[in-house]
Amino acid sequence: KAGVTQTPRYLIKTRGQQVTLSCSPISGHRSVSWYQQTPGQGLQFLFEYFSETQRNKGNFPGRFSGRQFSNSRSEMNVSTLELGDSALYLCASRTGGKNQETQYFGPGTRLLVL
Amino acid sequence: GNSVTQMEGPVTLSEEAFLTINCTYTATGYPSLFWYVQYPGEGLQLLLKATKADDKGSNKGFEATYRKETTSFHLEKGSVQVSDSAVYFCALPSNSGGYQKVTFGTGTKLQVIP
Repeated sequence: KAGVTQTPRYLIKTRGQQVTLSCSPISGHRSVSWYQQTPGQGLQFLFEYFSETQRNKGNFPGRFSGRQFSNSRSEMNVSTLELGDSALYLCASRTGGKNQETQYFGPGTRLLVL
Repeated sequence: GNSVTQMEGPVTLSEEAFLTINCTYTATGYPSLFWYVQYPGEGLQLLLKATKADDKGSNKGFEATYRKETTSFHLEKGSVQVSDSAVYFCALPSNSGGYQKVTFGTGTKLQVIP
């Protein structure tokens, strides 16, 4: 089975721009979660989508949004980029059918905001 | 809510040394516990997990035992290799509004020198 894939792997943007990141989960997985990883804050949960609905959200401003499509692929959008948005963005998938499940992570998209 | 406390890094060891990375948790109920590993430039990979008290998870020579009495899930390896150099994250899921949200520790960077 193919693993979680994320595109693009690297991205450079300037302040004020917006960016869209994509995540394709493992086949059969209906839950996709997004995380931001920075040296200062570590791994922080952004949101989780399941069956095209956001069902969990972390403590991030409204500039961070996401969506999930009927094939479970998910996109994350960040508008009006700030320097502090520079980070590794990870997505993780799981079947979503029950709690205490293992999450499987993609390689991440490294975003640099100049 | 649930929380994870992980020992600060970085940890520098010589090859074949014994490794312990401490992890303690606060949780309601008896959640599963996970260790993830992140190699340089990559996403997180599940290293091992334990689903109930006294369970021992093991993989690639790493072990961790779910200790309910001390609320700990310390990661150990008897003889580390240079290839074990990575960042290690302790994690536990928690229920948020009936759905799973994973809380990660801050990560412990391990450097193994030949």
